[in-house]
Amino acid sequence: DIQMTQFPSSLSASVGNRVTISCRASQPISRFLNWYQQRPGKAPKLLIYEVSSLQGGVPSRFSGSGSETDFTLTITNVQPEDFASYYCQQSYSTPPTFGQGTKLDFK
Amino acid sequence: QAQLQESGPGLVKPSETLSLSCTVSGHSISGDYYWGWIRQFPGMGLEWIGSMSHRWSTYYNPSLKSRVAISVDTTNNQFSLKLSSVTAADTAVYYCVRDRVTMRGITPVNDWFDPWGQGILVTVSS
Repeated sequence: DIQMTQFPSSLSASVGNRVTISCRASQPISRFLNWYQQRPGKAPKLLIYEVSSLQGGVPSRFSGSGSETDFTLTITNVQPEDFASYYCQQSYSTPPTFGQGTKLDFK
Repeated sequence: QAQLQESGPGLVKPSETLSLSCTVSGHSISGDYYWGWIRQFPGMGLEWIGSMSHRWSTYYNPSLKSRVAISVDTTNNQFSLKLSSVTAADTAVYYCVRDRVTMRGITPVNDWFDPWGQGILVTVSS
C-alpha cells in the first residue's frame, strides 16, 4: 500500500492567516491526490481533487499544488469555518489510502 | 444532489457480523458510480473498505477482503456492508460514500470519494 504522511499533525492559526499543509507519498503518484476537510462531528468533505481542482462550492481561498510525492494544501485568509481537520488521499493505486490528518485550530 | 444515510446497529459482539445499510437519495444507484464504505478509527485514521457498482463489479481493500461483502439493492436505491468475525479493532465510525472510479482495462480504480454519509459509530464489545 502507498503510505501518505501529512505534516504538521496540527497547527494553530488566526483568522486572516495563510496556512500550508503538506502531504508526502511513499512512492510517486503523479497527480492522483485529493484533499478532504472534516469539521468536528461531521463527515469528511471533498475539497480538492487531482491536486488542484476545487470541488464545486469550495471557496477560492483553498488551493492545492504538487506532483509525484510532494503535495501542498494552502488556505489563504483563513476563515472561522476553516478550523477543521484536513486529510490527503491518494487514488493512484488500490487500495486508496489517506494521510493521518492535520488539525487546524484557532490560535 | 446525492445524499447518503447509514443505518444499522451501533453495537456488535466480538466474532459476529457487522451489517450496515446505506440509503441513497437524489441520485440513482444504477448510474456510473461505484458505492463504497470507509471507516474512521477513534484515533481519526481513515481506511477504505471496498466499493461496488450496480452491475456487481467490486473491489475491496486486500487487508479486509476475506471478511467483507458489499451488495447493492437497486430496487430500494440502497447498498450494504457485511464485515464478519469482528473484533474490538473494528470499532469505528463507518461512512458510506459515492466512489467515482476510472476503469483501467477491466479494473476499477478510485478517483475520489464524494459525497459521504454522516457516519455511524459501531462499537464491537461483549
